[in-house]
Amino acid sequence: DSGVTQTPKHLITATGQRVTLRCSPRSGDLSVYWYQQSLDQGLQFLIQYYNGEERAKGNILERFSAQQFPDLHSELNLSSLELGDSALYFCASSVGAGGNQPQHFGDGTRLSIL
Amino acid sequence: GDSVTQMEGPVTLSEEAFLTINCTYTATGYPSLFWYVQYPGEGLQLLLKATKADDKGSNKGFEATYRKETTSFHLEKGSVQVSDSAVYFCALSYQAGTALIFGKGTTLSVSS
Repeated sequence: DSGVTQTPKHLITATGQRVTLRCSPRSGDLSVYWYQQSLDQGLQFLIQYYNGEERAKGNILERFSAQQFPDLHSELNLSSLELGDSALYFCASSVGAGGNQPQHFGDGTRLSIL
Repeated sequence: GDSVTQMEGPVTLSEEAFLTINCTYTATGYPSLFWYVQYPGEGLQLLLKATKADDKGSNKGFEATYRKETTSFHLEKGSVQVSDSAVYFCALSYQAGTALIFGKGTTLSVSS
C-alpha cells in the first residue's frame, strides 16, 4: 500500500461529459503529480502541485484542469470528454518538489469514454 | 527534448533465468534515473534509483548502474521468479523539480 488514495477506481461516461478525479496524497507529502497512461502514448506527465501551488505543467490539454486544496488533496477535472481521453489516470505524491525524490503512486482511476 | 527508450517487450523467461531489460536515455542535464514496476491492476512502485554517474541502485535482487558514458541504466536480476511478472518502467527526472519522464514500459512474463 503506497498510502496514495485515488477515487473512483473506475469511471464510465460519454463523450462531451465532465468528470472529476480525486487524489489524497501520502501523509506528509506536499507534492502531487498527475499522469495519464494510455496504450499509444504510454505514461505522460500532466501537471504537478506543491503545497497548493501549480509547480509544473506537462502535456495537459486545455480541457483538463487541476487544483490542490489546503488539506493537500488534489482533483483533476476533465471536460468535453473525447473518446481519446479513455485512459488510466495516476496520481503520485512526494515529500518535496525536487525531481529526484521518490514518487509514490496510487492505483489509478480507469476512465472509459463511450 | 529529454527521453527514455526501453527495449520492446514482452520478455518471456523461465523461472531462475537471468534478466536484462535495456534502458537508454537522452538528457540535456544530469538526471536521476529510476526503475518502477507495475503489477497487474496496481499503481507503479519504485523499484530502485540512482542519482549520479556510476551509482548502482539495488532492491529485491534487481540492480541497475547509472552509466553516463553510454547513457544507460539497464535493469538486471540474476534469477527471476514467477512473482516478478509485471511491467517495468525506466524513468528520469531532474533535481530542479520536473516530473518523471517514462519509457514505454517492458512487460516481463516468467513461467515456472
